[in-house]
Amino acid sequence: DTAVSQTPKYLVTQMGNDKSIKCEQNLGHDTMYWYKQDSKKFLKIMFSYNNKELIINETVPNRFSPKSPDKAHLNLHINSLELGDSAVYFCASSPDREPYNEQFFGPGTRLTVL
Amino acid sequence: GQNIDQPTEMTATEGAIVQINCTYQTSGFNGLFWYQQHAGEAPTFLSYNVLDGLEEKGRFSSFLSRSKGYSYLLLKELQMKDSASYLCAVVDSNYQLIWGAGTKLIIKP
Repeated sequence: DTAVSQTPKYLVTQMGNDKSIKCEQNLGHDTMYWYKQDSKKFLKIMFSYNNKELIINETVPNRFSPKSPDKAHLNLHINSLELGDSAVYFCASSPDREPYNEQFFGPGTRLTVL
Repeated sequence: GQNIDQPTEMTATEGAIVQINCTYQTSGFNGLFWYQQHAGEAPTFLSYNVLDGLEEKGRFSSFLSRSKGYSYLLLKELQMKDSASYLCAVVDSNYQLIWGAGTKLIIKP
């Protein structure tokens, strides 16, 4: 039933570790996104993929690497985690790249780096 | 630079009306979204405006003035469940969404 799902919902890890967050959408959408929402609640776009092709790559440390094996999945791998990476990470999808499209968000992954 | 301004927090009474303002300065404009985000949950879509004027959808209405770089979200007949953050987001000339920090709305009985 779930439209956009993310795993895990909570992730607590030590500095320097490598971790992955998975995202899947069953809406048949072409475009998927990763956002970071920090403690001040700003949502910042990190990456966007359209049909497995990277279309937005904001100024994000190269420790963050997205992977889209197919258009229904967009995973986020983070190397050498730092304290400042602690945030809620949201995956989202939209039918296509058109700007008027509503984005559907996953439940979020709360990452805490100790 | 790109900037979206919203009040940080507002308080209103159940049954009343509240207006949440959003002003923006962005490189280009291709529409403005309002999203609702309950604490600990994902944002959910409320409205999209690209032309000037008021769009009504049930208890919620959204207004846009492109010449003034201004929008507001109007919530009528407030209910306790409307307690949430309301996020304004603008699509810029590169078709990227620029998000405001959101307005936390507190509804009191």
